[in-house]
Amino acid sequence: GAVVSQHPSRVICKSGTSVKIECRSLDFQATTMFWYRQFPKQSLMLMATSNEGSKATYEQGVEKDKFLINHASLTLSTLTVTSAHPEDSSFYICSALLSAGQETQYFGPGTRLLVL
Amino acid sequence: QQQVKQSPQSLIVQKGGISIINCAYENTAFDYFPWYQQFPGKGPALLIAIRPDVSEKKEGRFTISFNKSAKQFSLHIMDSQPGDSATYFCAPTSGGYQKVTFGTGTKLQVIP
Repeated sequence: GAVVSQHPSRVICKSGTSVKIECRSLDFQATTMFWYRQFPKQSLMLMATSNEGSKATYEQGVEKDKFLINHASLTLSTLTVTSAHPEDSSFYICSALLSAGQETQYFGPGTRLLVL
Repeated sequence: QQQVKQSPQSLIVQKGGISIINCAYENTAFDYFPWYQQFPGKGPALLIAIRPDVSEKKEGRFTISFNKSAKQFSLHIMDSQPGDSATYFCAPTSGGYQKVTFGTGTKLQVIP
């Protein structure tokens, strides 16, 4: 089956620093990847849609200058949380579409971010 | 504006029983109706999905029932097992499968 990995699995950082999270499709090429944020005991909220070779599309209310997304290749998308603050502490999950027009999203294991 | 609502929020079922989780949506443009299972600290995984041209789909112990006119679909877990204890999300999709709206989630606990 399609496997998506994320790195790191958890990260603790100081307020004001930037954190990069990687999302990789291990056994397939993903033209489209998605980034979600999930607060404890809440649902997943879509942050942005990332397409290889083009700018990401951000959901309303998500600051594109704060959450930088780079989809540089067909197997890698990165999310950088810039100048992180405690309120950015959350579980960040990426997903990938197996191919264009495919409806099933394959999710990564998530990255737990704690900003002190 | 919450477009997708699940019920119940939490559910406790005895081992061997039937777990039923419902999902109600508003957006008539949704055209793909999956259920995802998420264990604590993990990403969601697709469990089962249905398209609007059928009213029911069964895969093993899992069944989706779809009611297009009522804009609802449900997940039935037969012979529930402790290993089924997880949070379940419905996540109807539209727009060429690009846009996913996750439901509010249902935490299922199956007790021995």
